[in-house]
Amino acid sequence: EDQVTQSPEALRLQEGESSSLNCSYTVSGLRGLFWYRQDPGKGPEFLFTLYSAGEEKEKERLKATLTKKESFLHITAPKPEDSATYLCAVPNQAGTALIFGKGTTLSVSS
Amino acid sequence: NAGVTQTPKFQVLKTGQSMTLQCAQDMNHNSMYWYQQDPGMGLRLIYYSASEGTTDKGEVPNGYNVSRLNKREFSLRLESAAPSQTSVYFCASTGGPGGELFFGEGSRLTVL
Repeated sequence: EDQVTQSPEALRLQEGESSSLNCSYTVSGLRGLFWYRQDPGKGPEFLFTLYSAGEEKEKERLKATLTKKESFLHITAPKPEDSATYLCAVPNQAGTALIFGKGTTLSVSS
Repeated sequence: NAGVTQTPKFQVLKTGQSMTLQCAQDMNHNSMYWYQQDPGMGLRLIYYSASEGTTDKGEVPNGYNVSRLNKREFSLRLESAAPSQTSVYFCASTGGPGGELFFGEGSRLTVL
């Protein structure tokens, strides 16, 4: 069964304290790994898509990387406005929909 | 740009009542989706429509029906609401397989 697991469930950081979020997946024949950000009371907002092992993408303080079994979302010198839930997702075996992990809720305090 | 628009944003129902959640997208996307989000459960797929005229079940379809009214609109119907259907419902769309999903703001449903 296709599965996406994110860790940790929650992460508290001080402003400027860098860290990483993990997303591991078991779907075979990966056709892309997606990262989303979700603010409270809002719908998920697209951040990145990664397609092959070794690929990296950056946006401001966020950098996403991909290996054959997992992806990391690195947050460098976070600010309070980076506080949100970060979701990763992969296409299902049929490629008809995305399977989401349960997310990591990041809190950054000043 | 409106993107994906969901109505209503909030709704309270009594057990056994019926209602329809509406979703419309203005990006000319082929595929549309309904997801359910509960605390600790992540986003779970209820139904999807790969293209106009087709619909398919997702992971948690029981108690729901959908209609792809046209290319823009995809509605989700609860025929007889149950307290277990208290949740946040998100509609999403994409231009094609493997593409990024664009989400609406969500519809928050409470069933008493």
